[in-house]
Amino acid sequence: QVQLQESGPGLVKPSQTLSLTCTVSGGSISSGYYWNWIRQHPGKGLEWIGNIYYSGSTYYNPSLKSRVSISVDTSSNQFSLNLSSVTAADTAVYYCARDGGFDTSGHYHPNFDHWGQGTPVTVSS
Amino acid sequence: QSVLTQPPSVSAAPGQKVTISCSGSTSNIGNNYVSWYQQLPGTAPKLLIYDNNKRPSGIPDRFSGSKSGTSATLGITGLQTGDEADYYCGTWDSSLRAGVFGGGTELTVL
Repeated sequence: QVQLQESGPGLVKPSQTLSLTCTVSGGSISSGYYWNWIRQHPGKGLEWIGNIYYSGSTYYNPSLKSRVSISVDTSSNQFSLNLSSVTAADTAVYYCARDGGFDTSGHYHPNFDHWGQGTPVTVSS
Repeated sequence: QSVLTQPPSVSAAPGQKVTISCSGSTSNIGNNYVSWYQQLPGTAPKLLIYDNNKRPSGIPDRFSGSKSGTSATLGITGLQTGDEADYYCGTWDSSLRAGVFGGGTELTVL
């Protein structure tokens, strides 16, 4: 059974970089799935941040693209999120999740079937 | 403002049926697969429906999904108090080249 676990600081100062890591267990990160970061502001809905394929190919939310970087470490079975120049508006619960991504026909399968438990991040001085 | 539009809330009595709509455009729902998620308070979302109308193993057939044009619908029959949760639709937007979600619908089982 695939499991995902987020880790990282729960408090980040304004203007600094938020860095989180998602560790995948019970399966290989190189197994052909896409690995995503999704966040949820307090009392609000889900916001897709971006994803990465094990090859390193990435897609980002256009509204965050200038500040987001997602990387993968296949040797550690982990992928990471860096969000720079954070403000209070980046305070949220951050989730990592797996989905099917693009199939061989070029169709995307947004089936987020495995999620981490979520990690709350507060941006405050 | 979410790319996909869902009603903020729906309600129905135990045992009844409810539907939750998700409206989008040709760049997202119209040309891509749709999935649905259930989020209970304080927990991560759970996949209920994928590829428009398929249920993952373990999801009861009380939950169903459909898609027509640029809209999708989640149906829940035989409502139970344990179904009270927030429900989200999600898909890919080919123009944005990004994943998108609806704003979420809060289900109340009266």
